[in-house]
Amino acid sequence: AQSVTQPDIHITVSEGASLELRCNYSYGATPYLFWYVQSPGQGLQLLLKYFSGDTLVQGIKGFEAEFKRSQSSFNLRKPSVHWSDAAEYFCAVGELKTSNTGKLIFGQGTTLQVKP
Amino acid sequence: NAGVMQNPRHLVRRRGQEARLRCSPMKGHSHVYWYRQLPEEGLKFMVYLQKENIIDESGMPKERFSAEFPKEGPSILRIQQVVRGDSAAYFCASSPPPLANYGYTFGSGTRLTVV
Repeated sequence: AQSVTQPDIHITVSEGASLELRCNYSYGATPYLFWYVQSPGQGLQLLLKYFSGDTLVQGIKGFEAEFKRSQSSFNLRKPSVHWSDAAEYFCAVGELKTSNTGKLIFGQGTTLQVKP
Repeated sequence: NAGVMQNPRHLVRRRGQEARLRCSPMKGHSHVYWYRQLPEEGLKFMVYLQKENIIDESGMPKERFSAEFPKEGPSILRIQQVVRGDSAAYFCASSPPPLANYGYTFGSGTRLTVV
């Protein structure tokens, strides 16, 4: 069965420092991959997505992610974190290639805390 | 263009009561998904609907839960005889065709508390 693992439950970084959030997936084919951000009490906002092509994907708010097939990973990065980036981040894989429903499988999430 | 509208934002129910959660998709979106987020967990798929049709309900609990997306009006997620374990945030997302674009837009969720 397809699955998504985010190994880090909580991460704390200082404002201005670089950030990398890890995501590993288990999937039989080249997956559709997503990163979402959720601020407290809010819904999910799409940061970026990977379907095919260039394995380095640029997203909103200065985020990027790199798809590495050999490592089954899709890690999210940002060179310089801002206090407003404190939120929960979810990695997800799309099941369209195996199910035709377009549903997403989410990781458990990583809570990012930003120190001033 | 309004986003995906969910109401109520917060819902408190006593054990044994019914909870009705509403989701109005974005204009032009014909696909609706419901996800549940339990405390300290990621979102789990529940059901996928198109107008008047349930396409995939593989994530729905077998009992007490039902969903509909009528020809007119919002999609409804109904939970009968709620129990404490139903306390969670319930998110709706809508998407236009084609599915391959994964053009999801999520609502802000309904936070259900069962007391």
